[in-house]
Amino acid sequence: QVQLQQSGPELVKPGASVRISCKASGYTFTSYYIHWVKQRPGQGLEWIGWIYPGNVNTKYNEKFKGKATLTADKSSSTAYMQLSSLTSEDSAVYFCAREGGNYLDYWGQGTTLTVSS
Amino acid sequence: ENVLTQSPAIMSASPGEKVTMTCRASSSVSSSYLHWYQQKSGASPKLWIYSTSNLASGVPARFSGSGSGTSYSLTISSVEAEDAATYYCQQYSGYPLTFGAGTKLELK
Repeated sequence: QVQLQQSGPELVKPGASVRISCKASGYTFTSYYIHWVKQRPGQGLEWIGWIYPGNVNTKYNEKFKGKATLTADKSSSTAYMQLSSLTSEDSAVYFCAREGGNYLDYWGQGTTLTVSS
Repeated sequence: ENVLTQSPAIMSASPGEKVTMTCRASSSVSSSYLHWYQQKSGASPKLWIYSTSNLASGVPARFSGSGSGTSYSLTISSVEAEDAATYYCQQYSGYPLTFGAGTKLELK
């Protein structure tokens, strides 16, 4: 069965960077796009971008260019998102999700990021 | 950016009641690229309805979706307690991919 297992909660200081992982299983990792989505507490969903692990092409929401960097490791079927120059505005739950055919059919459990000194 | 506006923001329904929530786009969306997700508190979103009217695996038949162009809707024919959740519409007709702000369905 398709599963996306994300890394655990992170507490980081302002100005630092963090990398969140999303390990895929149950399907061919290189054949599906992986998207990343942000959800601030009590708020809606915001699209960050996607990566296609087959050729590591990426597409970003303009809003997150310079903030998020998406990578993928085919050998471990893991997608990564690095967030840099963190501020309190980056405190949120971050989800990875697989694109099944222009919709997001499987989601990770979410990673909670807290930015605080 | 294609802004999706969902209404109402919050709705309350009694078990057995029929409910409809709407999603309006600032620019036309192809019906193939308009989708709905269900999210319960503390959980990940789940694909609920894809391409306007197709129920995702495991979604009860009391749910349905319709619409075209800039106006879409999700209907529950007879609400059950387990339907309490927030429902988000999402478009993939252009970049950036966008979500509506959600409709929170509460059960009376």
